[in-house]
Amino acid sequence: ETGVTQTPRHLVMGMTNKKSLKCEQHLGHNAMYWYKQSAKKPLELMFVYNFKEQTENNSVPSRFSPECPNSSHLFLHLHTLQPEDSALYLCASSHYREYNEQFFGPGTRLTVL
Amino acid sequence: KNEVEQSPQNLTAQEGEFITINCSYSVGISALHWLQQHPGGGIVSLFMLSSGKKKHGRLIATINIQEKHSSLHITASHPRDSAVYICAVENFGNEKLTFGTGTRLTIIP
Repeated sequence: ETGVTQTPRHLVMGMTNKKSLKCEQHLGHNAMYWYKQSAKKPLELMFVYNFKEQTENNSVPSRFSPECPNSSHLFLHLHTLQPEDSALYLCASSHYREYNEQFFGPGTRLTVL
Repeated sequence: KNEVEQSPQNLTAQEGEFITINCSYSVGISALHWLQQHPGGGIVSLFMLSSGKKKHGRLIATINIQEKHSSLHITASHPRDSAVYICAVENFGNEKLTFGTGTRLTIIP
C-alpha cells in the first residue's frame, strides 16, 4: 500500500470517447504529479500541482486536461485521444517542492483504439 | 538537458546470480535515485544517493560523481527481484527528476 491510489487500473477507449483518470493520496502531501510512461521511453512529467495550483505543464496537448479540486485528489480528463496516447499514466505525490521524495501510484494502463 | 542512459536495457539471469545495472548521465547532478517498478506498474524508491555507496539488504547502490556513473547491484538474486529498475537524476538548480528508460530484469528460478 503506497498511500497513492489510482482508478481505473486499466482503461480501453475509442478516439471519440471522453474518460477521466483519478488519483487520490492519503499521505498529507500538497504536491501532485501526472506522468506518462510509454514503452521504451523514460517517464515524462506532464503536469505538476502545488497546493491545488498548476505550476507545470510540459507542453502537453490540450486533449489532456488536468483537474486538482483539493490537495488529495487529482484527475486527468481525456478526450479525442490518439492511439499514440496509449501508455501507462502514473500519478505521484510529495510534500511541496520535494520532487526527490515522490510516492507513486500503481498507474492506469490506457489503450486507445 | 541531462541525458540519462541505462544499461543493459534487458537482463535475464539465473536465481542466485550477482546482478549489476548501470546508469550514466551527462551533466553534474545533486543526487541520483534508483527506483523499482513491478509488473503491476507501481514505482517504489530504493535509494537516493549523492556520493559513495548505500546498502539495503541485498541491494547496493554506488555512485562516482567524477565519472558521472552509478551502479545498482543485487546479490543472491531471487525471482521476486524481477522488475524494471529505473535511474533518475536531480539536476542542480532544478529539482525535477530526469529519468532513464529503465532496465528490465528477469530472474529465472
